[in-house]
Amino acid sequence: DAEITQSPRHKITETGRQVTLACHQTWNHNNMFWYRQDLGHGLRLIHYSYGVQDTNKGEVSDGYSVSRSNTEDLPLTLESAASSQTSVYFCASSPGREEAFFGQGTRLTVV
Amino acid sequence: EDQVTQSPEALRLQEGESSSLNCSYTVSGLRGLFWYRQDPGKGPEFLFTLYSAGEEKEKERLKATLTKKESFLHITAPKPEDSATYLCAVQEGGGFKTIFGAGTRLFVKA
Repeated sequence: DAEITQSPRHKITETGRQVTLACHQTWNHNNMFWYRQDLGHGLRLIHYSYGVQDTNKGEVSDGYSVSRSNTEDLPLTLESAASSQTSVYFCASSPGREEAFFGQGTRLTVV
Repeated sequence: EDQVTQSPEALRLQEGESSSLNCSYTVSGLRGLFWYRQDPGKGPEFLFTLYSAGEEKEKERLKATLTKKESFLHITAPKPEDSATYLCAVQEGGGFKTIFGAGTRLFVKA
């Protein structure tokens, strides 16, 4: 069965370190998204991509970057981790106008 | 600025007590409105998509409706297993970017 997987599921890192969260989907969807989820804020869009070599900023993109070198993967990089980036991160993919499929999430703690 | 507002933030029901969750939105052009269910520690799971005012979708005890300004998720005779966070999201015209509301946490007591 097609799926979307995130790794790692849990990560603890120190302030100032570079961190990369992986997202891999096997649906061959063109659209991929990264969200962060914090209590009281729901899901907030960080970056998104409509295809290979395409990346776009979402509403909370400062301090984050993404790259899309193939259809299956959209890694999220925190250039210099800050305590404000402690959150649960969700990756999602969609074929277009239809619903998105979400990964299980990565819980990131920055100490 | 595009916005999605859900109410109430939390809802506590007795088993069998029907109710509704609200999602109001302001977008420049609605491409689609989505409802998702999220269980603790998991990613959101898709429930419904609504594309135009007047549209309704049903699944078991859940029914979603859409007007030009808001959507309702009606829960009929809920069971404890319906306890979850329900998320509303809108996809704006011109792209596939999806904006989520903060969610409604539903608790159903047996």
